Amino acid sequence: DIVMTQSPDSLAVSLGERATINCKSSQSVSDSSNNKNSLGWYQQKLGQPPKLLIYWASTREYGVPDRFSASGSGTDFTLTINGLQAEDVAVYYCQQYYNTPWTFGQGTNVEI
Amino acid sequence: QVQLQESGPGLVKPSETLSLTCSVSGSSINNYYWSWIRQPPGKGLEWIGHIYDSGTTNYNPSLKSRVTISLDTSKKHCSLKLSSVTAADTAVYYCAREGYYDSSGYYFSGTFDYWGRGTLVTVSS
Repeated sequence: DIVMTQSPDSLAVSLGERATINCKSSQSVSDSSNNKNSLGWYQQKLGQPPKLLIYWASTREYGVPDRFSASGSGTDFTLTINGLQAEDVAVYYCQQYYNTPWTFGQGTNVEI
Repeated sequence: QVQLQESGPGLVKPSETLSLTCSVSGSSINNYYWSWIRQPPGKGLEWIGHIYDSGTTNYNPSLKSRVTISLDTSKKHCSLKLSSVTAADTAVYYCAREGYYDSSGYYFSGTFDYWGRGTLVTVSS
Protein backbone atom coordinates (compact mmCIF):
# COMPACT_ATOMS: atom_id res chain seq x y z
CA ASP A 1 0.00 0.00 0.00
CA ILE A 2 1.09 3.57 -0.57
CA VAL A 3 1.38 5.31 2.80
CA MET A 4 0.39 8.99 2.89
CA THR A 5 1.89 11.11 5.65
CA GLN A 6 0.70 14.62 6.34
CA SER A 7 2.35 17.37 8.34
CA PRO A 8 1.59 18.98 10.62
CA ASP A 9 -1.17 17.06 12.41
CA SER A 10 -2.67 20.33 13.57
CA LEU A 11 -2.29 23.94 12.55
CA ALA A 12 -3.56 27.19 14.06
CA VAL A 13 -3.68 30.17 11.72
CA SER A 14 -4.98 33.69 12.21
CA LEU A 15 -7.87 34.87 10.07
CA GLY A 16 -6.60 36.21 6.78
CA GLU A 17 -3.27 34.45 7.08
CA ARG A 18 -1.90 31.51 5.09
CA ALA A 19 -2.18 27.85 6.02
CA THR A 20 0.17 25.32 4.47
CA ILE A 21 -0.29 21.57 4.71
CA ASN A 22 2.21 19.04 3.46
CA CYS A 23 1.62 15.52 2.22
CA LYS A 24 4.24 12.92 1.43
CA SER A 25 3.64 9.59 -0.26
CA SER A 26 5.76 6.50 0.35
CA GLN A 27 6.25 6.11 -3.39
CA SER A 28 5.75 8.31 -6.39
CA VAL A 29 2.16 8.88 -7.49
CA SER A 30 3.21 10.45 -10.77
CA ASP A 31 1.49 8.72 -13.68
CA SER A 32 3.78 8.66 -16.70
CA SER A 33 0.88 7.72 -18.99
CA ASN A 34 -0.73 11.13 -18.61
CA ASN A 35 2.02 13.15 -16.92
CA LYS A 36 -0.24 13.83 -13.96
CA ASN A 37 0.07 13.21 -10.24
CA SER A 38 -2.73 11.06 -8.82
CA LEU A 39 -3.22 13.10 -5.67
CA GLY A 40 -6.34 14.69 -4.26
CA TRP A 41 -7.18 16.92 -1.34
CA TYR A 42 -10.36 16.84 0.72
CA GLN A 43 -11.88 19.12 3.33
CA GLN A 44 -13.97 17.63 6.11
CA LYS A 45 -15.92 19.90 8.40
CA LEU A 46 -17.22 18.65 11.72
CA GLY A 47 -20.11 16.24 11.28
CA GLN A 48 -19.94 16.31 7.48
CA PRO A 49 -18.56 14.00 4.81
CA PRO A 50 -15.34 14.97 3.11
CA LYS A 51 -15.52 17.36 0.17
CA LEU A 52 -13.20 17.10 -2.82
CA LEU A 53 -11.16 20.28 -3.22
CA ILE A 54 -8.30 19.37 -5.53
CA TYR A 55 -7.50 16.55 -7.95
CA TRP A 56 -4.50 15.80 -10.14
CA ALA A 57 -2.47 17.47 -7.36
CA SER A 58 -3.32 21.02 -8.45
CA THR A 59 -6.70 21.18 -10.25
CA ARG A 60 -9.43 22.83 -8.22
CA GLU A 61 -12.79 21.11 -8.23
CA TYR A 62 -15.61 23.20 -9.69
CA GLY A 63 -16.82 25.78 -7.19
CA VAL A 64 -13.81 25.63 -4.86
CA PRO A 65 -12.63 29.14 -3.97
CA ASP A 66 -9.34 30.20 -5.51
CA ARG A 67 -7.83 30.83 -2.08
CA PHE A 68 -7.27 27.07 -2.12
CA SER A 69 -4.26 26.09 -4.19
CA ALA A 70 -2.11 23.01 -4.34
CA SER A 71 1.13 21.90 -5.88
CA GLY A 72 3.68 19.15 -5.88
CA SER A 73 4.91 16.20 -7.84
CA GLY A 74 6.22 12.71 -7.30
CA THR A 75 6.08 12.16 -3.56
CA ASP A 76 5.77 15.67 -2.08
CA PHE A 77 2.65 17.78 -2.20
CA THR A 78 1.31 20.94 -0.59
CA LEU A 79 -2.12 22.43 -0.01
CA THR A 80 -2.18 26.17 0.64
CA ILE A 81 -5.09 28.22 1.91
CA ASN A 82 -4.44 31.90 1.29
CA GLY A 83 -6.40 34.33 3.42
CA LEU A 84 -7.89 31.81 5.83
CA GLN A 85 -11.56 32.36 6.55
CA ALA A 86 -13.61 31.11 9.48
CA GLU A 87 -15.44 28.63 7.26
CA ASP A 88 -12.13 26.95 6.38
CA VAL A 89 -11.86 25.42 9.85
CA ALA A 90 -11.80 21.71 9.07
CA VAL A 91 -9.67 18.62 8.79
CA TYR A 92 -7.86 18.30 5.47
CA TYR A 93 -6.86 14.99 3.93
CA CYS A 94 -4.65 14.11 1.02
CA GLN A 95 -5.42 10.93 -0.94
CA GLN A 96 -3.54 9.00 -3.57
CA TYR A 97 -5.30 7.29 -6.42
CA TYR A 98 -2.25 5.99 -8.23
CA ASN A 99 -2.64 2.42 -6.95
CA THR A 100 -5.36 0.57 -5.13
CA PRO A 101 -6.02 0.43 -2.31
CA TRP A 102 -6.65 4.16 -2.48
CA THR A 103 -5.17 5.61 0.70
CA PHE A 104 -5.54 8.79 2.69
CA GLY A 105 -3.24 10.80 4.89
CA GLN A 106 -4.02 10.90 8.60
CA GLY A 107 -5.49 14.39 8.30
CA THR A 108 -4.47 17.89 9.34
CA ASN A 109 -6.71 19.86 11.66
CA VAL A 110 -6.83 23.54 10.72
CA GLU A 111 -8.16 25.93 13.35
CA ILE A 112 -8.20 29.64 13.94
CA GLN B 1 -28.49 17.06 -7.99
CA VAL B 2 -26.58 13.94 -7.08
CA GLN B 3 -27.53 12.51 -3.73
CA LEU B 4 -26.36 9.40 -1.94
CA GLN B 5 -28.06 8.03 1.17
CA GLU B 6 -26.68 5.24 3.33
CA SER B 7 -29.04 3.09 5.35
CA GLY B 8 -28.83 0.07 7.60
CA PRO B 9 -28.63 -1.03 11.22
CA GLY B 10 -26.75 1.30 13.54
CA LEU B 11 -25.85 -1.51 15.92
CA VAL B 12 -24.33 -4.86 15.00
CA LYS B 13 -23.22 -7.61 17.36
CA PRO B 14 -19.65 -8.90 17.29
CA SER B 15 -19.08 -11.77 14.85
CA GLU B 16 -22.19 -10.85 12.87
CA THR B 17 -22.43 -9.28 9.41
CA LEU B 18 -22.75 -5.56 8.84
CA SER B 19 -25.06 -4.76 5.92
CA LEU B 20 -25.54 -1.30 4.45
CA THR B 21 -27.25 0.07 1.38
CA CYS B 22 -26.50 3.25 -0.53
CA SER B 23 -29.35 4.73 -2.54
CA VAL B 24 -28.30 6.86 -5.48
CA SER B 25 -30.36 9.65 -7.03
CA GLY B 26 -29.55 12.35 -9.54
CA SER B 27 -26.84 10.30 -11.21
CA SER B 28 -26.66 7.33 -13.48
CA ILE B 29 -25.38 4.35 -11.54
CA ASN B 30 -23.88 3.02 -14.72
CA ASN B 31 -20.44 3.95 -15.97
CA TYR B 32 -19.10 4.92 -12.56
CA TYR B 33 -17.29 3.20 -9.74
CA TRP B 34 -19.12 3.31 -6.41
CA SER B 35 -16.97 3.20 -3.31
CA TRP B 36 -17.41 2.54 0.36
CA ILE B 37 -15.18 4.43 2.78
CA ARG B 38 -15.22 4.31 6.56
CA GLN B 39 -14.07 6.54 9.38
CA PRO B 40 -13.74 5.33 12.97
CA PRO B 41 -14.85 7.96 15.49
CA GLY B 42 -12.23 10.68 15.74
CA LYS B 43 -9.95 8.99 13.21
CA GLY B 44 -9.05 9.12 9.54
CA LEU B 45 -10.51 7.70 6.34
CA GLU B 46 -10.14 4.14 5.10
CA TRP B 47 -11.17 3.04 1.62
CA ILE B 48 -13.03 -0.27 1.81
CA GLY B 49 -13.51 -1.03 -1.87
CA HIS B 50 -15.47 -0.23 -5.00
CA ILE B 51 -17.64 -1.71 -7.70
CA TYR B 52 -18.26 -0.84 -11.34
CA ASP B 53 -21.53 -1.39 -13.14
CA SER B 54 -20.06 -4.44 -14.85
CA GLY B 55 -19.76 -6.01 -11.42
CA THR B 56 -16.01 -5.58 -11.29
CA THR B 57 -14.91 -5.13 -7.71
CA ASN B 58 -11.71 -4.19 -5.96
CA TYR B 59 -11.31 -4.44 -2.22
CA ASN B 60 -8.81 -3.15 0.28
CA PRO B 61 -6.58 -6.16 1.06
CA SER B 62 -6.89 -5.36 4.75
CA LEU B 63 -10.61 -6.20 4.56
CA LYS B 64 -10.84 -8.33 1.45
CA SER B 65 -11.63 -11.62 3.17
CA ARG B 66 -14.66 -10.10 4.90
CA VAL B 67 -16.07 -7.63 2.35
CA THR B 68 -18.64 -7.95 -0.40
CA ILE B 69 -19.83 -4.96 -2.43
CA SER B 70 -22.70 -5.38 -4.85
CA LEU B 71 -24.73 -3.19 -7.19
CA ASP B 72 -28.41 -3.30 -8.10
CA THR B 73 -28.64 -1.05 -11.15
CA SER B 74 -32.41 -1.36 -11.42
CA LYS B 75 -32.89 -0.03 -7.90
CA LYS B 76 -29.87 2.28 -8.09
CA HIS B 77 -28.51 0.75 -4.91
CA CYS B 78 -24.97 -0.10 -3.90
CA SER B 79 -24.60 -2.48 -0.96
CA LEU B 80 -21.86 -3.33 1.48
CA LYS B 81 -21.53 -6.47 3.56
CA LEU B 82 -18.77 -6.86 6.12
CA SER B 83 -18.68 -10.17 7.94
CA SER B 84 -17.29 -11.26 11.30
CA VAL B 85 -17.28 -7.73 12.68
CA THR B 86 -15.46 -6.66 15.82
CA ALA B 87 -15.34 -3.44 17.79
CA ALA B 88 -12.60 -2.27 15.43
CA ASP B 89 -15.22 -2.05 12.68
CA THR B 90 -17.14 0.62 14.56
CA ALA B 91 -17.13 3.61 12.23
CA VAL B 92 -19.09 6.02 10.12
CA TYR B 93 -19.57 4.31 6.78
CA TYR B 94 -19.78 6.46 3.67
CA CYS B 95 -20.71 5.61 0.13
CA ALA B 96 -19.23 7.80 -2.57
CA ARG B 97 -19.32 8.18 -6.32
CA GLU B 98 -15.86 7.66 -7.69
CA GLY B 99 -14.26 9.20 -10.71
CA TYR B 100 -15.22 11.61 -13.44
CA TYR B 101 -15.40 12.00 -17.20
CA ASP B 102 -13.20 14.62 -18.83
CA SER B 103 -14.17 16.73 -21.84
CA SER B 104 -13.01 13.95 -24.16
CA GLY B 105 -15.26 11.45 -22.43
CA TYR B 106 -12.36 9.63 -20.81
CA TYR B 107 -13.10 8.24 -17.34
CA PHE B 108 -10.65 8.72 -14.51
CA SER B 109 -11.25 6.76 -11.33
CA GLY B 110 -9.93 7.37 -7.86
CA THR B 111 -11.40 10.64 -6.66
CA PHE B 112 -14.67 10.98 -4.82
CA ASP B 113 -16.89 13.85 -5.90
CA TYR B 114 -20.16 12.95 -4.21
CA TRP B 115 -20.54 11.44 -0.77
CA GLY B 116 -23.43 10.31 1.35
CA ARG B 117 -23.82 11.83 4.80
CA GLY B 118 -22.55 8.63 6.30
CA THR B 119 -24.06 6.25 8.81
CA LEU B 120 -22.56 5.32 12.16
CA VAL B 121 -22.35 1.60 12.77
CA THR B 122 -21.45 0.50 16.26
CA VAL B 123 -20.30 -3.04 16.91
CA SER B 124 -21.28 -4.03 20.41
CA SER B 125 -23.08 -6.81 22.22
